[in-house]
Amino acid sequence: GENVEQHPSTLSVQEGDSAVIKCTYSDSASNYFPWYKQELGKRPQLIIDIRSNVGEKKDQRIAVTLNKTAKHFSLHITETQPEDSAVYFCAASISNYKLTFGKGTLLTVNP
Amino acid sequence: IAGITQAPTSQILAAGRRMTLRCTQDMRHNAMYWYRQDLGLGLRLIHYSNTAGTTGKGEVPDGYSVSRANTDDFPLTLASAVPSQTSVYFCASQGADTGELFFGEGSRLTVL
Repeated sequence: GENVEQHPSTLSVQEGDSAVIKCTYSDSASNYFPWYKQELGKRPQLIIDIRSNVGEKKDQRIAVTLNKTAKHFSLHITETQPEDSAVYFCAASISNYKLTFGKGTLLTVNP
Repeated sequence: IAGITQAPTSQILAAGRRMTLRCTQDMRHNAMYWYRQDLGLGLRLIHYSNTAGTTGKGEVPDGYSVSRANTDDFPLTLASAVPSQTSVYFCASQGADTGELFFGEGSRLTVL
């Protein structure tokens, strides 16, 4: 089955700096790569996703890049704000179904 | 009901007891999932259902069972709870068009 590795497990940045979280996946057939944000005590929520037919996708301060050859994808958050503090999960799947999640990254944005 | 709901939100259970976590959605999504979340281990898939009447095993299915009698409900049963099943359990349904998972608020289960 699919295996998703996520790094780093914790990340601390100063407000206004950029944050980058990286994931690798094992199954070359995977074609859907979402990112979820989970605030403390809350449920995970989708923030951005990318499919294998594109290399990059942006939504305001967040962007995701995908390298199919190397089987890795990354989340980029620019101009970080304290409200960006949360656990971020990457995931991978074939045709949307049965997402396999990474172990998560705890992002702390210091004011 | 709006979205997806789980019950109970929290439960303390004696080892060996049977427990059913309920999950209901009103979005008419075909696909539903149960994940468990443990510190340092992320979200691990327990069981899934692609449509009413069908279920499948995920990454960590042992000790758990599910049923999908209709589109809306997807209960998770622990037949005989053990302490290693102490976890936060999330039910999710999935939009067919976008692939987005909509999670319930979670059920925190403690097995003593």
